[in-house]
Amino acid sequence: DGGITQSPKYLFRKEGQNVTLSCEQNLNHDAMYWYRQDPGQGLRLIYYSQIVNDFQKGDIAEGYSVSREKKESFPLTVTSAQKNPTAFYLCASSIRDRAQETQYFGPGTRLLVL
Amino acid sequence: RKEVEQDPGPFNVPEGATVAFNCTYSNSASQSFFWYRQDCRKEPKLLMSVYSSGNEDGRFTAQLNRASQYISLLIRDSKLSDSATYLCVVNAAADMRFGAGTRLTVKP
Repeated sequence: DGGITQSPKYLFRKEGQNVTLSCEQNLNHDAMYWYRQDPGQGLRLIYYSQIVNDFQKGDIAEGYSVSREKKESFPLTVTSAQKNPTAFYLCASSIRDRAQETQYFGPGTRLLVL
Repeated sequence: RKEVEQDPGPFNVPEGATVAFNCTYSNSASQSFFWYRQDCRKEPKLLMSVYSSGNEDGRFTAQLNRASQYISLLIRDSKLSDSATYLCVVNAAADMRFGAGTRLTVKP
């Protein structure tokens, strides 16, 4: 079955700790994205990558870092510089079909601060 | 002004009702449009793309009005299983913008 997997489902972070969220896809999609969702708000883009070994900052990249060493994988690190990390984190990948890009999402990771 | 605006609801309707959601967007260069469905504490899932001529998928009809910069979603014969939050998504040159969602509850 093709799809996008994220792990863990729940993650707890202590003060001053860096944590890494995993995102893997076997859809052969070139582009991958990380979003953050807070209650009552739309998804906000953290980072995206259109191709291996290249990525760009989104609207709220401060306090986060990513890597794209393999096409299938796009891990997100929430660093201690991110002062308000509690949120639902969603990874997506996309395919371009007839000049239209459609994004598909993984199941998400809920990050909570202890 | 938000880039994509939706009425947050909630919309509470009885089974069998017809309900419509609107969404407005600010970027006139937007090229593609979507409705996603998000269940509580789950990821968004693509419901349907929205095409210029309007399109229908079973009980769901999507319309696009480029001149007024809004899209709409109509759900006919609502089912209990339609209860969810509906996200309007607008794409301009690979810059996807998400609305905050409209919450729908269908009651018996």
